[in-house]
Amino acid sequence: GAVVSQHPSRVICKSGTSVKIECRSLDFQATTMFWYRQFPKKSLMLMATSNEGSKATYEQGVEKDKFLINHASLTLSTLTVTSAHPEDSSFYICSALRGGRVDSNQPQHFGDGTRLSIL
Amino acid sequence: AQRVTQPEKLLSVFKGAPVELKCNYSYSGSPELFWYVQYSRQRLQLLLRHISRESIKGFTADLNKGETSFHLKKPFAQEEDSAMYYCALSFKAAGNKLTFGGGTRVLVKP
Repeated sequence: GAVVSQHPSRVICKSGTSVKIECRSLDFQATTMFWYRQFPKKSLMLMATSNEGSKATYEQGVEKDKFLINHASLTLSTLTVTSAHPEDSSFYICSALRGGRVDSNQPQHFGDGTRLSIL
Repeated sequence: AQRVTQPEKLLSVFKGAPVELKCNYSYSGSPELFWYVQYSRQRLQLLLRHISRESIKGFTADLNKGETSFHLKKPFAQEEDSAMYYCALSFKAAGNKLTFGGGTRVLVKP
């Protein structure tokens, strides 16, 4: 159990395009999901915490208007990179926290990631 | 702010040799420490967490609060252990957000 599906796995698009990435928990409910960004040969960097039914919490330095997060249901969070530019090219990874509360001490379950390339 | 440091970017060992991946953290409270592993072409997955105090795939890790370390060890490395390993920290006050170390690539040679 605890499968997280991320779609699409790869996106190549022109500069100025908005790109939506989906993160789904397939066999469990996830009140909280997380979005990470990973640069080549670097570690994962948390971008934001996605909370079902409320606004996402962004980490310092992450533009809210650039990276729109929607968590409309207990099994789906979306990250939309608006008006993407080449510097937004990166590997984006989501994770879902199993359990109903953020203090439930449950580990995060990760998606496969989405490689975004902006030309 | 909390921080996780993995000093080794690459560890290369021969099959059957012991392997130890170092992880040091800085956080003033009581964190929860994890080791995540990413095998080639696979997603990141939890290997073990300090509160479980268990051995997974022969790996163990002990939290040393005095040294603020959570080193990962395996006495006899296998070729299938070749992967990227990330040490991570979380704490309840921050909603269990994970802070990752830079990662260590382990290569087990036959």
